[in-house]
Amino acid sequence: GNSVTQMEGPVTLSEEAFLTINCTYTATGYPSLFWYVQYPGEGLQLLLKATKADDKGSNKGFEATYRKETTSFHLEKGSVQVSDSAVYFCALSGGAQKLVFGQGTRLTINP
Amino acid sequence: GAVVSQHPSRVICKSGTSVKIECRSLDFQATTMFWYRQFPKQSLMLMATSNEGSKATYEQGVEKDKFLINHASLTLSTLTVTSAHPEDSSFYICSAPTSGQGNQPQHFGDGTRLSIL
Repeated sequence: GNSVTQMEGPVTLSEEAFLTINCTYTATGYPSLFWYVQYPGEGLQLLLKATKADDKGSNKGFEATYRKETTSFHLEKGSVQVSDSAVYFCALSGGAQKLVFGQGTRLTINP
Repeated sequence: GAVVSQHPSRVICKSGTSVKIECRSLDFQATTMFWYRQFPKQSLMLMATSNEGSKATYEQGVEKDKFLINHASLTLSTLTVTSAHPEDSSFYICSAPTSGQGNQPQHFGDGTRLSIL
């Protein structure tokens, strides 16, 4: 079945550092890939998405490229801010609209 | 943009109480909604798919009689935790897609934190 594996956290960085959160997936067919962010005590918000191979999703300085050859969708940001502290979830949708989530990565940015 | 409203945001109640959680799509119709459960510092676990006008589809291991789902209209799904016990304490989140295509993102409610004493 479909599955998503994320880099284990927690991740702690200083402000303005470069961020990478790794995500790899296993799926049949051609899934769509997503990154969601969850701030403390809140639900999930869509951060970015990519629907086919080589697509790059981007939003708020975050980027991720759909790599079919490596089955990956790593999240990157060039310069993180304190306000980026949250839990980040990689997810895929293989059809039937069901989302399969990775385990989540807690990110803390120190000033 | 599309908004999903979930209510209540927090519930604290005694063991044995039944608790109803509502999930509403505010500016779009949702024939399908999803209910997730999230344990502390863990990922979201899909509990069930709520289908408007028909029975919900439950994931393996989720008790149908424990977690009653009703999708009464195109904008409302409810999850009722029946005779709740402390082990049911968790963060429950609903979501709804704005289209029938799997490549479209889902919109999530803000979640309901359920604490059973």
